[in-house]
Amino acid sequence: GEEVAQTPKHLVRGEGQKAKLYCAPIKGHSYVFWYQQVLKNEFKFLISFQNENVFDETGMPKERFSAKCLPNSPCSLEIQATKLEDSAVYFCASSQPDRANEQFFGPGTRLTVL
Amino acid sequence: GDSVTQMEGPVTLSEEAFLTINCTYTATGYPSLFWYVQYPGEGLQLLLKATKADDKGSNKGFEATYRKETTSFHLEKGSVQVSDSAVYFCALSPSSSNTGKLIFGQGTTLQVKP
Repeated sequence: GEEVAQTPKHLVRGEGQKAKLYCAPIKGHSYVFWYQQVLKNEFKFLISFQNENVFDETGMPKERFSAKCLPNSPCSLEIQATKLEDSAVYFCASSQPDRANEQFFGPGTRLTVL
Repeated sequence: GDSVTQMEGPVTLSEEAFLTINCTYTATGYPSLFWYVQYPGEGLQLLLKATKADDKGSNKGFEATYRKETTSFHLEKGSVQVSDSAVYFCALSPSSSNTGKLIFGQGTTLQVKP
């Protein structure tokens, strides 16, 4: 598509439950990025993919967080056993093959952990 | 590590006023620099960028010049409109990393009053 699509728009989970977020990048874009926005403004890089391969995972928490980008499927970010501090807006972005740092962002998924 | 610092907001201006939002960075080498804008309830939109020293990025009346000597990338607009009210993020893509990940400043809220 012409825009990065993220689903769901809102997600509410009880502490300890699993959360799974989805992202469909813009058609033709080969890079996918996940960012976490907490406290309204602070953005934190989590992970990036080049096609289905992990490109940079230096921002991913070692435990509970995982992500995948499989062929012909939306990319996903999964949080096992959510904690209160996981409450945030999770943004996905994609970029063209030769312009990795010119990223187009989706509208985000707001995760609330109760 | 690499970082971005923005002036604290909120910045409140009257319509047609001159806008400056300060941004300074710490990074090794020559990072690429960006300004993104986030309108309420939406994801980030790339506003402008500069990839090397003395480059000027411009878009929609906004400008920013990459100043290596002062490690700055201040955003300016000569005459703001109510529709410019949003949160503005300065960001860098490290030259030491070819993964395209972005490091964001904390964001500056701009409110323009009629």
